Amino acid sequence: DQQVKQNSPSLSVQEGRISILNCDYTNSMFDYFLWYKKYPAEGPTFLISISSIKDKNEDGRFTVFLNKSAKHLSLHIVPSQPGDSAVYFCAAVTNFGNEKLTFGTGTRLTIIP
Amino acid sequence: GAVVSQHPSWVICKSGTSVKIECRSLDFQATTMFWYRQFPKQSLMLMATSNEGSKATYEQGVEKDKFLINHASLTLSTLTVTSAHPEDSSFYICSATGQGMMNTEAFFGQGTRLTVV
Repeated sequence: DQQVKQNSPSLSVQEGRISILNCDYTNSMFDYFLWYKKYPAEGPTFLISISSIKDKNEDGRFTVFLNKSAKHLSLHIVPSQPGDSAVYFCAAVTNFGNEKLTFGTGTRLTIIP
Repeated sequence: GAVVSQHPSWVICKSGTSVKIECRSLDFQATTMFWYRQFPKQSLMLMATSNEGSKATYEQGVEKDKFLINHASLTLSTLTVTSAHPEDSSFYICSATGQGMMNTEAFFGQGTRLTVV
């Protein structure tokens, strides 16, 4: 039972444009969401997070939006840069981080120069 | 950020043999370590959680006698895949947290790709 889903395995975006990565979840108990970025041969690194009490969190070029009613979150990267090419995982957790992380399957983002 | 190092990065072994994967926290004391595996086109799935000096807690469906986890020190945890079979071929990754850290603050190792032939 895949509780966190990233339905797009891959995405290509022109450099300078906006990249939008999507994530859907089914467990209404999730109350904290995270995005990780992973380069080949490296472990995932934390990128940005959002609590269920918010609907938007922004950090520089990265913004995460949360739509609780739709059980959907998205990561916006603008402007996209070649260094953003990586696999992006969304993850969700209950109890505001005191429980285990549930990951999505990842989306491979390729930024085209 | 803190560094978590996994070794080896990749390993090929024969069916029936055992393989040990190490996960080290290089610059902090890892009171808790998490072991995940990822099959192709699937998500990272938590296998077990280990606290230093205690027995690991395994997720449902993970065989504790097959996947032996040792967390004997605050800087090292090991995962041993015993009597490996081709279906154990996967990407194994660890993460670690220190005292007072939330699970969401865990640092990840670079992962180990295991291929059983």
